Amino acid sequence: ELKVEQNPLFLSMQEGKNYTIYCNYSTTSDRLYWYRQDPGKSLESLFVLLSNGAVKQEGRLMASLDTKARLSTLHITAAVHDLSATYFCAVDARGSQGNLIFGKGTKLSVKP
Amino acid sequence: EPEVTQTPSHQVTQMGQEVILRCVPISNHLYFYWYRQILGQKVEFLVSFYNNEISEKSEIFDDQFSVERPDGSNFTLKIRSTKLEDSAMYFCASSTNRGYTEAFFGQGTRLTVV
Repeated sequence: ELKVEQNPLFLSMQEGKNYTIYCNYSTTSDRLYWYRQDPGKSLESLFVLLSNGAVKQEGRLMASLDTKARLSTLHITAAVHDLSATYFCAVDARGSQGNLIFGKGTKLSVKP
Repeated sequence: EPEVTQTPSHQVTQMGQEVILRCVPISNHLYFYWYRQILGQKVEFLVSFYNNEISEKSEIFDDQFSVERPDGSNFTLKIRSTKLEDSAMYFCASSTNRGYTEAFFGQGTRLTVV
């Protein structure tokens, strides 16, 4: 059974600081996704990582994928309040029909 | 920008009643999905649908659930006899390709079973 573990589950940081969210998964997969969810809202796609060593950046967020370690990271640079949200990683198990297995999410709170 | 739309945004129903949640996926997408999120918990896969049939389903998707694409645009999730534990946010999603591009999610339907 594919399991996806995120840590930390809760993260309170000050504006301007850097931090990394980790996503580990238990079986082989070449496809990993990061989503953002604001309270009561839908899931917004942030990054699609499709190969080992993939790195993508958008603004203050950068995501990477190491398929050999079964690890993805979401790095936050110089956090701002607008980044406060819950961040989910999700893995598309190899051989699946595209269904996603989500981690529990990391609730990020950026304080002034 | 194309988006996945879901109706209603909130549905309250009595236990044992049937509910139908509706979704209009993005028009050129071929793969459709339903997920649910119990309040404060992670998002869970229910079912995927392609070429007018279910391609994969989870353990959650038991005989009480069914999906249908009744016409060229709508994609529905039916729960035959709702239980209290069916209370959750239900998200519809669609994608162009199975697993190689991101799935786009609708805004969700909050189902409350009383």
